[in-house]
Amino acid sequence: DAKTTQPTSMDCAEGRAANLPCNHSTISGNEYVYWYRQIHSQGPQYIIHGLKNNETNEMASLIITEDRKSSTLILPHATLRDTAVYYCIVSPLYGGSQGNLIFGKGTKLSVKP
Amino acid sequence: DADVTQTPRNRITKTGKRIMLECSQTKGHDRMYWYRQDPGLGLRLIYYSFDVKDINKGEISDGYSVSRQAQAKFSLSLESAIPNQTALYFCATSDLQFGGSDTQYFGPGTRLTVL
Repeated sequence: DAKTTQPTSMDCAEGRAANLPCNHSTISGNEYVYWYRQIHSQGPQYIIHGLKNNETNEMASLIITEDRKSSTLILPHATLRDTAVYYCIVSPLYGGSQGNLIFGKGTKLSVKP
Repeated sequence: DADVTQTPRNRITKTGKRIMLECSQTKGHDRMYWYRQDPGLGLRLIYYSFDVKDINKGEISDGYSVSRQAQAKFSLSLESAIPNQTALYFCATSDLQFGGSDTQYFGPGTRLTVL
């Protein structure tokens, strides 16, 4: 079972920041937080990951609370092409025994003009 | 991600037929995975391979087999396809990074329909 909780859906106006929350209250010290998104039926696309510190790349920023029990993915200037299902995934260091990612239901983000 | 390719992209087959889905990667990663996705559901792991000589069953391996022909190639076979194997199939690759992260990169998927 997924170890994260996300809202089922969110709307965001084009050009505004999209802030997607995720709760992972049972996360352990040796687990990363990963974010992926899936546009329609395409392959999941990696966005960003972090362990303790906040992270930023060309796609997004990841803010992890100090107690690591929740995080927020920030898309700074959402476009229509950012409409997708966003998955927050907790995964052990080194991928764990099977290495697979446990996908929950994610958040369906709709970016509106 | 163009570094991970899957063939075919779409396939319609009949019950009882043998079918192979192929995955190739140019990322130089040791780890490869096969997942399936059913409508409205998350991805589930079928098989995984941590290197060329390592093959392991995942959560839902019954009815499937795999072959790791080389570091870059990982094939999934349905020996005798059945309708409930109709799904989207994704291949993924990963490699351990400094610090213990294991980011996976997915192919574009194969849409398989079994009639």
